[in-house]
Amino acid sequence: QQQVKQSPQSLIVQKGGISIINCAYENTAFDYFPWYQQFPGKGPALLIAIRPDVSEKKEGRFTISFNKSAKQFSLHIMDSQPGDSATYFCAASPTGGGNKLTFGTGTQLKVEL
Amino acid sequence: DAGVIQSPRHEVTEMGQEVTLRCKPISGHNSLFWYRQTMMRGLELLIYFNNNVPIDDSGMPEDRFSAKMPNASFSTLKIQPSEPRDSAVYFCASRGQQDEKLFFGSGTQLSVL
Repeated sequence: QQQVKQSPQSLIVQKGGISIINCAYENTAFDYFPWYQQFPGKGPALLIAIRPDVSEKKEGRFTISFNKSAKQFSLHIMDSQPGDSATYFCAASPTGGGNKLTFGTGTQLKVEL
Repeated sequence: DAGVIQSPRHEVTEMGQEVTLRCKPISGHNSLFWYRQTMMRGLELLIYFNNNVPIDDSGMPEDRFSAKMPNASFSTLKIQPSEPRDSAVYFCASRGQQDEKLFFGSGTQLSVL
């Protein structure tokens, strides 16, 4: 059972554009939603995270939007740059679950000049 | 801190051979996770330890896989005997107490011929 569904699988954006990646979850016990960024040959690294008590969190050019009723959350990358080209994973975990993160399948982002 | 250190970076072996992957977590972190990454299944949690004790190994695919954490600074993931379908990138990650952020190593690229 895929508990976190991520789309699109791949995304091409022009430099300066907005990249949007969406995730949907099923388990209502999830209450921690991070996004991880992975460059080729490297392990994933935490980019930004949100809890359901807020609907939006912004850190620099990266914003998470969260819709608890729809059980969806998304990552927006403003003013996308070639250096943002990477694979992005959404994830979710429940309270008291030992932070057992369930990851989405990943979105390969390419930002073109 | 050098981060999570995994070895080897690459491992090529023949079907039936024993494979041992190694991980040194970040000093002071008390939780350690082993993940497997494939194109088909994405990032899968295999097992995680808390204070050197295995807490959840439900993600371990079968008895050919075993993991140990003899002390706070070292863990191994062993596959015996290995099979071609075990080919994947294996990541180790660690986390500090009261911290939700996972720190991943650079992974071990395993190829079983």
